[in-house]
Amino acid sequence: QQQVKQSPQSLIVQKGGISIINCAYENTAFDYFPWYQQFPGKGPALLIAIRPDVSEKKEGRFTISFNKSAKQFSLHIMDSQPGDSATYFCAASMGGYQKVTFGTGTKLQVIP
Amino acid sequence: GAVVSQHPSWVICKSGTSVKIECRSLDFQATTMFWYRQFPKQSLMLMATSNEGSKATYEQGVEKDKFLINHASLTLSTLTVTSAHPEDSSFYICSAGPGTGGGEKLFFGSGTQLSVL
Repeated sequence: QQQVKQSPQSLIVQKGGISIINCAYENTAFDYFPWYQQFPGKGPALLIAIRPDVSEKKEGRFTISFNKSAKQFSLHIMDSQPGDSATYFCAASMGGYQKVTFGTGTKLQVIP
Repeated sequence: GAVVSQHPSWVICKSGTSVKIECRSLDFQATTMFWYRQFPKQSLMLMATSNEGSKATYEQGVEKDKFLINHASLTLSTLTVTSAHPEDSSFYICSAGPGTGGGEKLFFGSGTQLSVL
């Protein structure tokens, strides 16, 4: 049972453009929503995260938008760069527990 | 920041042999560590939760006798793939975080690519 659904599966964006990745969750007990960036052959690294009491969080070029009523959240990468090319995973966890449920992943390619 | 070290980064073994993967928290103590498995172009699937000083908790469908977990200290958890077969070939990743905080304090190892011939 996939508790966190992610789309699109792959994404090609031109340099300087905006990359948008969407996720939806089912379990309303989730209270922490991180995004991870993973390069080939490496473990995932935390990029940015949000809690449901906030509708938006921005860190540099990365922004999370959160819609609690729709149980959806998204990652926006502004001014996308070739170095952003990686696989991005949305995730969710609950109750301060470190057990994280991952989305299916989005492979982003930023072309010059 | 906190670092989780995982070794080896890759291993090739013959079918039927056992392989041990180590996960260490370098600058914090971790009472709980997590082991994930990732197939090519797929997401991370949680295999088990490693608890220091007690038995690991396995996710549904994961064979505990196949994937032995030992969390003998607050900085080390090991995953042993016993009698490995080609279908066990995968990317294994551990994670850990300091204290009992939320997911924001969770760090991942660099992963171990296991290839079983």
